[in-house]
Amino acid sequence: AQSVTQLDSHVSVSEGTPVLLRCNYSSSYSPSLFWYVQHPNKGLQLLLKYTSAATLVKGINGFEAEFKKSETSFHLTKPSAHMSDAAEYFCVVEGQAGTALIFGKGTTLSVSS
Amino acid sequence: GAVVSQHPSRVICKSGTSVKIECRSLDFQATTMFWYRQFPKQSLMLMATSNEGSKATYEQGVEKDKFLINHASLTLSTLTVTSAHPEDSSFYICSARDLRTSGGAGETQYFGPGTRLLVL
Repeated sequence: AQSVTQLDSHVSVSEGTPVLLRCNYSSSYSPSLFWYVQHPNKGLQLLLKYTSAATLVKGINGFEAEFKKSETSFHLTKPSAHMSDAAEYFCVVEGQAGTALIFGKGTTLSVSS
Repeated sequence: GAVVSQHPSRVICKSGTSVKIECRSLDFQATTMFWYRQFPKQSLMLMATSNEGSKATYEQGVEKDKFLINHASLTLSTLTVTSAHPEDSSFYICSARDLRTSGGAGETQYFGPGTRLLVL
């Protein structure tokens, strides 16, 4: 069975400093992995996805994530946080190809000025 | 990009009444839509997979007679919460896959903005 574990429920950073949101996954086969962001009162937005191509995936708004099979990790990073990055972030693994998504518990990112 | 809408965005109802939530893909067709439930400060939990023209597939522990799903067309799926009770209060989110790319691994799902249900 597939699962994801987000290692931090809350991350706080200052504007302009790097962001690291950690995610470990468990899968019985080569997984497809996603990061979604949820802003208050808005729908989930796809930041990036990994589908067995390049292990370093670049997404929108300057975010990127690296798939590390040996560590079963898919951590999300951004070099410099912006106030608008404050939101809830979900690491997601796809079920068997073409089926529903399995969400991690989420990490709340706070950005202070 | 692909857009999914939900209606209503918020609904308040009395205990014992039924509430219908619509999920529409606005600029693409979707043979498969998914319904999720999100409790405050928690993750999304899959409730059911809705397939156009056939019965929905419910996750373990989800009462199919309570959460009725109808996927009548390639752009519309509805979730009806029957005889709602306060414990059904939650944030309901739908997602859809584009028919043109369905079936592949890593396919993007497009999410609606969610419907907040409050049962008094």
